[in-house]
Amino acid sequence: QKEVEQDPGPLSVPEGAIVSLNCTYSNSAFQYFMWYRQYSRKGPELLMYTYSSGNKEDGRFTAQVDKSSKYISLFIRDSQPSDSATYLCAMSGKGVTGFQKLVFGTGTRLLVSP
Amino acid sequence: KAGVTQTPRYLIKTRGQQVTLSCSPISGHRSVSWYQQTPGQGLQFLFEYFSETQRNKGNFPGRFSGRQFSNSRSEMNVSTLELGDSALYLCASSFNRLAGVEQFFGPGTRLTVL
Repeated sequence: QKEVEQDPGPLSVPEGAIVSLNCTYSNSAFQYFMWYRQYSRKGPELLMYTYSSGNKEDGRFTAQVDKSSKYISLFIRDSQPSDSATYLCAMSGKGVTGFQKLVFGTGTRLLVSP
Repeated sequence: KAGVTQTPRYLIKTRGQQVTLSCSPISGHRSVSWYQQTPGQGLQFLFEYFSETQRNKGNFPGRFSGRQFSNSRSEMNVSTLELGDSALYLCASSFNRLAGVEQFFGPGTRLTVL
């Protein structure tokens, strides 16, 4: 079983829809929960991150973390065709000493149609 | 501030050959990590270099190696290429090694092994 599970999609929605993207994880040591967006032929770009549990909002994007269920979500409101990309969740621990590698989900491909 | 740069962007090699990929981190970043991205496995951590020393290693065979120079630039080498090595190889640099969230990714080198 992978440490981080993510539905690969593709997820197709019409413009203006609310999109929900999710990941589950098994390692309770994870403290940072991140969402990356990756366009075709590009590297991942950090969208937003949450430390520990709770919600975080940034414009049309909202990230939620439920550590008790080991479940994280990214919501996109008023989705736009420019949001069409692959969304990757990633997680890491919080180090006192030592490098914290990122553990990624496989990514969900999102397609927003006009 | 310039981002992470990777060269070359695309490579085509044949089985049995070896390849060297290059990564220039963001100015001031001394930690460079490498990830392999494939459709089936997603992004997987290869290794991390800091102060010219490999500090952390993922679960990849010894054919995958790297090094880091005094200016923090890093190279990754894959010897005796196999078809399964076809992937997008991503480099990420960070200033704060303890926070995985602060890794910034380059555009990647797409390696195709024929």
